[in-house]
Amino acid sequence: NAGVTQTPKFRVLKTGQSMTLLCAQDMNHEYMYWYRQDPGMGLRLIHYSVGEGTTAKGEVPDGYNVSRLKKQNFLLGLESAAPSQTSVYFCASSYLPVYSGNTIYFGEGSWLTVV
Amino acid sequence: ILNVEQSPQSLHVQEGDSTNFTCSFPSSNFYALHWYRWETAKSPEALFVMTLNGDEKKKGRISATLNTKEGYSYLYIKGSQPEDSATYLCASPYNTDKLIFGTGTRLQVFP
Repeated sequence: NAGVTQTPKFRVLKTGQSMTLLCAQDMNHEYMYWYRQDPGMGLRLIHYSVGEGTTAKGEVPDGYNVSRLKKQNFLLGLESAAPSQTSVYFCASSYLPVYSGNTIYFGEGSWLTVV
Repeated sequence: ILNVEQSPQSLHVQEGDSTNFTCSFPSSNFYALHWYRWETAKSPEALFVMTLNGDEKKKGRISATLNTKEGYSYLYIKGSQPEDSATYLCASPYNTDKLIFGTGTRLQVFP
């Protein structure tokens, strides 16, 4: 049982390059989330999805785009990477909405450095 | 956006000490309060989710309480062990779908 899998785990980008982070879950979860973690800032929600074909903005969406074409996958795109996007990115998923008392399950993180 | 605050930012204790940390959240429009444990280079793992005022949850030496009227939750660790060293995160839903995290309390337990 893989749970939530993120690829790639590590990546170094040059300023202005683009890339896509892939999140895949095998738990048939409806809800998926992308967070970024920066020192002293905790986990901040970038974008999230409440089901296949839907996306919505979180706390810090600028500079990122997302797509949820298949229920099991949630893609996070950086169109033109900036040094401020150097961070650890976590994907997460849940079966029910978070207000219901349902926990969310995290992937292992993707370390991205923009130089 | 909801403001979830945690204190202290970091804590250093000796093995065997008991410790506790606080999570504060707005008491209006409360839905749930989550606690997660996060070890460096690993995925955050759920400890507890509490929804009702007065809820108390326990898992081994770790327990949590919830006061939704005054907007706080306490996490307690009894007899801390070095393997308890981690960052402890709390989170609360904003609206219905956004889980907003505090900045965490980093616990280090020395043998």
